[in-house]
Amino acid sequence: ILNVEQSPQSLHVQEGDSTNFTCSFPSSNFYALHWYRWETAKSPEALFVMTLNGDEKKKGRISATLNTKEGYSYLYIKGSQPEDSATYLCAFHGGTYKYIFGTGTRLKVLA
Amino acid sequence: NAGVTQTPKFQVLKTGQSMTLQCAQDMNHNSMYWYRQDPGMGLRLIYYSASEGTTDKGEVPNGYNVSRLNKREFSLRLESAAPSQTSVYFCASSGQGGIVKNSPLHFGNGTRLTVT
Repeated sequence: ILNVEQSPQSLHVQEGDSTNFTCSFPSSNFYALHWYRWETAKSPEALFVMTLNGDEKKKGRISATLNTKEGYSYLYIKGSQPEDSATYLCAFHGGTYKYIFGTGTRLKVLA
Repeated sequence: NAGVTQTPKFQVLKTGQSMTLQCAQDMNHNSMYWYRQDPGMGLRLIYYSASEGTTDKGEVPNGYNVSRLNKREFSLRLESAAPSQTSVYFCASSGQGGIVKNSPLHFGNGTRLTVT
């Protein structure tokens, strides 16, 4: 059974703080790693699709890195804002059509 | 541009009743998926359809059936609902033009199902 783990489960940060989360996934049969942002009462929205070892992606204040050899990805948020409050999901794609999701990191940014 | 449309948004069933959740996408995506989301469990794959005409089981297929009616539509049926199927259900699609690897999942808005 493939296991995708995210840490921490939840965290609270002050507005303006920078923060990061971890997604751990199997290091074999790697195809792609996705990051999604999921706001309460909405549906998940894609942030990044990462496919190559050493990939770095950036969208505004949010960036992500990928290490496929050791099986982890980091998501960074620089200068957190209240509107960044959401659950951040990662999903592992192992070459089949099945995306395996982690349980997410719930971020609350306090004004 | 509607993206992925799911109906209904809410449903309450009694144990043993049946229902079909509808999903349609207008992005010409090849692959479609049904997930359920339960507290502390994350998104778990029920069934998926890699392309029109094919369907396969995911992690938690028991108690469900699916139909890939055409390229646009992928429905999920509960033949005899059980309280354990109380959940939020999400349909998703990906893979425009068959290029799945770099294509993110696009999700519908979810169906909140309660089985009493």
